[in-house]
Amino acid sequence: DAGVTQSPTHLIKTRGQQVTLRCSPKSGHDTVSWYQQALGQGPQFIFQYYEEEERQRGNFPDRFSGHQFPNYSSELNVNALLLGDSALYLCASSLVGQRFTGANVLTFGAGSRLTVL
Amino acid sequence: DQQVKQNSPSLSVQEGRISILNCDYTNSMFDYFLWYKKYPAEGPTFLISISSIKDKNEDGRFTVFLNKSAKHLSLHIVPSQPGDSAVYFCASRGTGTASKLTFGTGTRLQVTL
Repeated sequence: DAGVTQSPTHLIKTRGQQVTLRCSPKSGHDTVSWYQQALGQGPQFIFQYYEEEERQRGNFPDRFSGHQFPNYSSELNVNALLLGDSALYLCASSLVGQRFTGANVLTFGAGSRLTVL
Repeated sequence: DQQVKQNSPSLSVQEGRISILNCDYTNSMFDYFLWYKKYPAEGPTFLISISSIKDKNEDGRFTVFLNKSAKHLSLHIVPSQPGDSAVYFCASRGTGTASKLTFGTGTRLQVTL
């Protein structure tokens, strides 16, 4: 049973550029959430996608946008990159409607490490 | 405004002893608290959770205690093993916020031989 897969694993960009990160959810999951983990910090919620729409959003600027495809996979786009966007970007998937038990809330991928120079 | 705090960035414990990791929160609307473990180059993996209506949950070597009046929770690992060496994140979920979790900054646990 494949877990959450993310690509690329590492990438380097320069300020002002744009980046696209990709995520395939765990088999059977229909919801994708994106988190940003800066160095020395815990993951911070960016947004969540379900039924191809953004359902919840954290405190991130409009430079951060996303998309969910009919097969439930998702992309995170960041425009006009800043040095402060350097971080590990984590994708997590879940299944809507499941009774919350804690264990089923989120399954994380290994992340995409973005370095902005 | 950091709603979930882990004030100890690191902890070192001898193998076989108890590890206690602490977490404080400020938002009374959190309805579930979770602990995640993270190894380098891997995503966080779920460890154990507790509902806000409980004060203790146990799963094998792992026990989480919740003190709602103090807005404090702790994770106990007994006995600690070298494979437990990882970064541990405390996380909380607001009522009705689906899969949006608020994480602490993490505590790096090192279990020594």
